[in-house]
Amino acid sequence: QKEVEQNSGPLSVPEGAIASLNCTYSDRGSQSFFWYRQYSGKSPELIMFIYSNGDKEDGRFTAQLNKASQYVSLLIRDSQPSDSATYLCAVNIGGYQKVTFGIGTKLQVIP
Amino acid sequence: NAGVTQTPKFQVLKTGQSMTLQCAQDMNHNSMYWYRQDPGMGLRLIYYSASEGTTDKGEVPNGYNVSRLNKREFSLRLESAAPSQTSVYFCASSEAYLAGGRDEQFFGPGTRLTVL
Repeated sequence: QKEVEQNSGPLSVPEGAIASLNCTYSDRGSQSFFWYRQYSGKSPELIMFIYSNGDKEDGRFTAQLNKASQYVSLLIRDSQPSDSATYLCAVNIGGYQKVTFGIGTKLQVIP
Repeated sequence: NAGVTQTPKFQVLKTGQSMTLQCAQDMNHNSMYWYRQDPGMGLRLIYYSASEGTTDKGEVPNGYNVSRLNKREFSLRLESAAPSQTSVYFCASSEAYLAGGRDEQFFGPGTRLTVL
């Protein structure tokens, strides 16, 4: 089992819809959870960080964390074509400074 | 601020050749990282340096060596390149808060390496 699992997609949603991206992780000791966005040919950039159970909202983005079920999700409301990118889930494994990345979910927002 | 810079941006090597990828950050970050990214594999950690003077292996260290030259610079060396090392290489840095904190990694633009 991979430490951080994501569906590679592509996930296609129409413009204006809610995109839901999911991520599960294996280490119950994980404490920090990140969502990075990566446009094609570019480097990843952080869009959300969460460490407490529950929801964290930032503009059109909401991160949801459920440590008991070991999953973290990212919701993108009112999806725009500019949101089309690969979204990488990253988890701080076991208290170390390094994180483990999932393979990423490719999101396509259809105009 | 330039953030994280990497050189070169593109490189083509022949099997058995060696090269060093350079990375520098101007954010006074403590930790630096080298990743490779391959289709379907995501970002995989090669080596990291939690602080100046220390380096540790990541998930895929075989065939690579690193040097943390100073707080700003972290280089990755391929001693004898192999076709399996064809990949996109990213350097990243972070301030490295204690575990449980927001430890955002800032990435360089990447180096696209092809080994023939």
